[in-house]
Amino acid sequence: GQSLEQPSEVTAVEGAIVQINCTYQTSGFYGLSWYQQHDGGAPTFLSYNGLDGLEETGRFSSFLSRSDSYGYLLLQELQMKDSASYFCAVRDDTGGFKTIFGAGTRLFVKA
Amino acid sequence: GAVVSQHPSWVICKSGTSVKIECRSLDFQATTMFWYRQFPKQSLMLMATSNEGSKATYEQGVEKDKFLINHASLTLSTLTVTSAHPEDSSFYICSARPQGGGWAKNIQYFGAGTRLSVL
Repeated sequence: GQSLEQPSEVTAVEGAIVQINCTYQTSGFYGLSWYQQHDGGAPTFLSYNGLDGLEETGRFSSFLSRSDSYGYLLLQELQMKDSASYFCAVRDDTGGFKTIFGAGTRLFVKA
Repeated sequence: GAVVSQHPSWVICKSGTSVKIECRSLDFQATTMFWYRQFPKQSLMLMATSNEGSKATYEQGVEKDKFLINHASLTLSTLTVTSAHPEDSSFYICSARPQGGGWAKNIQYFGAGTRLSVL
């Protein structure tokens, strides 16, 4: 089967750095993605890791270790608008290119 | 950036009626679209994968006769909730994967979602 685990909630203050971890178990692993979703809104793509290592996009970075079945999303210089849910997702190519989402981590950014 | 339009954004209907939700990719072609269901403060549960010109692939436990999916063109997929009942009330979200190889295969663009309330 497929499963992803991530913390349910994280709280941090403005300007801080926060790391959201994700561990996964799946067959046919083809990459780890991260999506952001504000309440009532649609998920938006943040980053993708297909290979081990760190990918940086502005204030957001994502890391993958395939040998550990582990990844994380790093958010720097937190802003209030970063308060949202963050989902890790794996693309599983067994049975046709579908993406499975983790339960999501709700990030609360406080002043 | 790529835009996916989903319509309607909110629908209230009586029990027993059918509701159609449209998902359009506005500035790109998508051979594959996905339909998700999301309960409050929970994750996105994949319902089905919609493939242009062929039958949709449903996830285990999703009734294909209940949730009819049609992907008639490279830019449009529809989900019809047939004979809706209160337990079908939920937030339904579609997404589209751009056609092509390389990086395109790894990104999904989501519609804004449809909140369905069945009375």
